[in-house]
Amino acid sequence: DIQMTQSPSSLSASVGDRVTIICRASQSSSTYLNWYQHKAGKAPKLLIYAASSLQSGVPSRFSGSGSGTDFTLTISSLQPEDFATYYCQQSFSTPWTFGQGTKVEIK
Amino acid sequence: QVHLVQSGPEVERPGASVMVSCKASNYTFINYGISWVRQAPGQGLEWMGWISPYNGNTKYAQKLQGRVTMTTDTSTNTAYMEVRSLRSDDTAVYYCARARDFFGSGTSFDSWGQGTLVTVSS
Repeated sequence: DIQMTQSPSSLSASVGDRVTIICRASQSSSTYLNWYQHKAGKAPKLLIYAASSLQSGVPSRFSGSGSGTDFTLTISSLQPEDFATYYCQQSFSTPWTFGQGTKVEIK
Repeated sequence: QVHLVQSGPEVERPGASVMVSCKASNYTFINYGISWVRQAPGQGLEWMGWISPYNGNTKYAQKLQGRVTMTTDTSTNTAYMEVRSLRSDDTAVYYCARARDFFGSGTSFDSWGQGTLVTVSS
């Protein structure tokens, strides 16, 4: 199984900050990497697919990059509605595994 | 707009079975897979498996193999997920999600149901 490890596990940031979340795969996942935003009590939301493609309707302040084993999600200017938990997920091989999540909190 | 509507909360005893449904609308059901993902209290997201409504092919997470069955009914555009021999650590919110394939780019979950809380307690 491909293990996905995110860092940090949590972070505190202020509105307007640039935020970067890292996701590392235990073996190459090519660009078969997705990012989701999850708020408590709601369904997860797809933000980025195929490592760097922005899902329709998602604000352009979200961006993704990387390939192979190292990936990043960047929020260029954090907004109040962005406080949530973020997960990476690989679909290179089953089981399609998620990272453990990164909780973004208000500073 | 794609819509996935799941069945309501369930409370079950250990050893029992539970079935959660997921009714899809506003897209061609057989053209996309359905995955199931769960989140136990205080934990992250866990992929449980995938089914193709087109041909019924399935892939299951190894840890659930033998206890989980995923099916679809193409006449009602509904997916079902059954977990048998329930244990306390199966207590979780269960989500269905539409699995979208991009050639050469993998599979992503682009629409999700609202989630179904399954509580396993004696």
